[in-house]
Amino acid sequence: GEDVEQSLFLSVREGDSSVINCTYTDSSSTYLYWYKQEPGAGLQLLTYIFSNMDMKQDQRLTVLLNKKDKHLSLRIADTQTGDSAIYFCAEKPISGGYNKLIFGAGTRLAVHP
Amino acid sequence: DTGVSQDPRHKITKRGQNVTFRCDPISEHNRLYWYRQTLGQGPEFLTYFQNEAQLEKSRLLSDRFSAERPKGSFSTLEIQRTEQGDSAMYLCASSPRVRDRDYNEQFFGPGTRLTVL
Repeated sequence: GEDVEQSLFLSVREGDSSVINCTYTDSSSTYLYWYKQEPGAGLQLLTYIFSNMDMKQDQRLTVLLNKKDKHLSLRIADTQTGDSAIYFCAEKPISGGYNKLIFGAGTRLAVHP
Repeated sequence: DTGVSQDPRHKITKRGQNVTFRCDPISEHNRLYWYRQTLGQGPEFLTYFQNEAQLEKSRLLSDRFSAERPKGSFSTLEIQRTEQGDSAMYLCASSPRVRDRDYNEQFFGPGTRLTVL
């Protein structure tokens, strides 16, 4: 079945690293995504990883993929107050014809001084 | 900024009324998607178009919902006889054809927040 799970809340101190975790169920998913949503706004595509990779780095963002455990994580280095937002993990499974994205419920990241 | 645009950004309506939302995708993106997001949840897929053809509809899309993309550019989503349960953020996304297959990236608009009283 299609299901993406994330922890609901994460609080970090400014300057520390944040790690947001996600588990998904469909091993056929070709791509896995991280989106950011600020209050009242749409979703901003942060990064995505192809399923045959185990790591992708993009500036302060590092994505780790454990395909065996169907576990995806997003690490944000040197977290800033502007990183406060909801972060959504999404998969793109074959059951959706590789067209639609299946999203988790989102992890709310709070960055405090 | 030539991102995905949606209009209106907010809509308040009374139960039973019809509403229509518009989405303008990024230029030359030939795939366009509609998602619905309720409070505290991630977006849920509703439907998508490739050019003017509507290729898939979710079971979430009841017969009160209709979407069109007549010229393969902008799209409209209409909800007839709105119900309180239709209150949500309606998000549009578009996707470019990067290779022969796979539209890897979906870029989202700011959404239309619908409140049904």
